[in-house]
Amino acid sequence: AQSVTQPDIHITVSEGASLELRCNYSYGATPYLFWYVQSPGQGLQLLLKYFSGDTLVQGIKGFEAEFKRSQSSFNLRKPSVHWSDAAEYFCAVGFADFGNEKLTFGTGTRLTIIP
Amino acid sequence: KAGVTQTPRYLIKTRGQQVTLSCSPISGHRSVSWYQQTPGQGLQFLFEYFSETQRNKGNFPGRFSGRQFSNSRSEMNVSTLELGDSALYLCASSLNPGLAEETQYFGPGTRLLVL
Repeated sequence: AQSVTQPDIHITVSEGASLELRCNYSYGATPYLFWYVQSPGQGLQLLLKYFSGDTLVQGIKGFEAEFKRSQSSFNLRKPSVHWSDAAEYFCAVGFADFGNEKLTFGTGTRLTIIP
Repeated sequence: KAGVTQTPRYLIKTRGQQVTLSCSPISGHRSVSWYQQTPGQGLQFLFEYFSETQRNKGNFPGRFSGRQFSNSRSEMNVSTLELGDSALYLCASSLNPGLAEETQYFGPGTRLLVL
């Protein structure tokens, strides 16, 4: 069965430091890949998405993600975090298999920024 | 362009009651999906509607139902509420149907507390 794993439940980084959030999936083909961010009490906002083509994807707020087929990963990165980046981040993977569509979210990674 | 709106934002109900939540998609978006978010289970897909028809359904009991109107607005209903139904219910809209590949734009959610 298809699955999405975000191995880090909680990450703490200093403001100005670099960030990498991990996302791994299990699926036989290349899925559709998304990263969303959720601030406290808010809905989800799309940061970036990958469907095909260049495996390095640029998103909003200075985020980027790289799709690595060999590792079944789609990790999110930011070179220098800001205090406003503190939020929960969700990787989502879309599967379309023989007419059966599914969008599965990871369990999320909560990001804390320290001054 | 206005985003996805959900009403009400907060709701308190007691066990056994029923509740109806409303979602207005982004103008021009024809597909609406619903998700339940809880600390224990994370984000779980409830159902997807397009052209007033349910296209996809997640693994939730029949107490959870929904519908879509001709103007693409959607409602979801939960009957015979249980304590475990306490959650943030998120609505998302997309231009076209397709859970896997279409970008979902999320509303702020309705927080339901069942006492």
